[in-house]
Amino acid sequence: DTAVSQTPKYLVTQMGNDKSIKCEQNLGHDTMYWYKQDSKKFLKIMFSYNNKELIINETVPNRFSPKSPDKAHLNLHINSLELGDSAVYFCASSPGLPSSYNEQFFGPGTRLTVL
Amino acid sequence: DQQVKQNSPSLSVQEGRISILNCDYTNSMFDYFLWYKKYPAEGPTFLISISSIKDKNEDGRFTVFLNKSAKHLSLHIVPSQPGDSAVYFCAASALSGGGADGLTFGKGTHLIIQP
Repeated sequence: DTAVSQTPKYLVTQMGNDKSIKCEQNLGHDTMYWYKQDSKKFLKIMFSYNNKELIINETVPNRFSPKSPDKAHLNLHINSLELGDSAVYFCASSPGLPSSYNEQFFGPGTRLTVL
Repeated sequence: DQQVKQNSPSLSVQEGRISILNCDYTNSMFDYFLWYKKYPAEGPTFLISISSIKDKNEDGRFTVFLNKSAKHLSLHIVPSQPGDSAVYFCAASALSGGGADGLTFGKGTHLIIQP
């Protein structure tokens, strides 16, 4: 039973392409997140989202957009990919609101390589 | 500017001994702290958390200590087991910050348990 799943696990693409990463959670959680782990290994929040509110980290370029077809899914769309977008992207979920004291459950990550 | 710092990139401990992983933070608004464990090619897995109203939280072999005045927390693992070999991330959040800040992670400490 995979709690938070992501597809694909690896994604290699050319600069300028548009790509999507899918995320699904079967925990019944209300809030989902996207994190980016860069080459320096820091995990940084990109978005948090529940069925009422999308909160965007202001440092994220608008080429990145989350799309949520339903409460269990939060997909990440990236337009006009750049070399600097190469990283590992993690999806996570948590019960309750983003501001509550709840641990987040992470997916296995998607390694994106932009050539 | 790193708001959560793990100054030891790696730590080697003999099996059966105590492992102590340290974490410092600079943002006085942080009031919830978590430790995550990560194996290669997997997402971070939640281990233990502590809120700022406590100074200690224990769960089996894992204990987290929080020193608010020093802005320091530590994770103790005793006794250390081979399966504990992984990268450990310290993370923090500010309830008042809402979901926009997500979790702020340190860079991680690679714990190696030697037989």
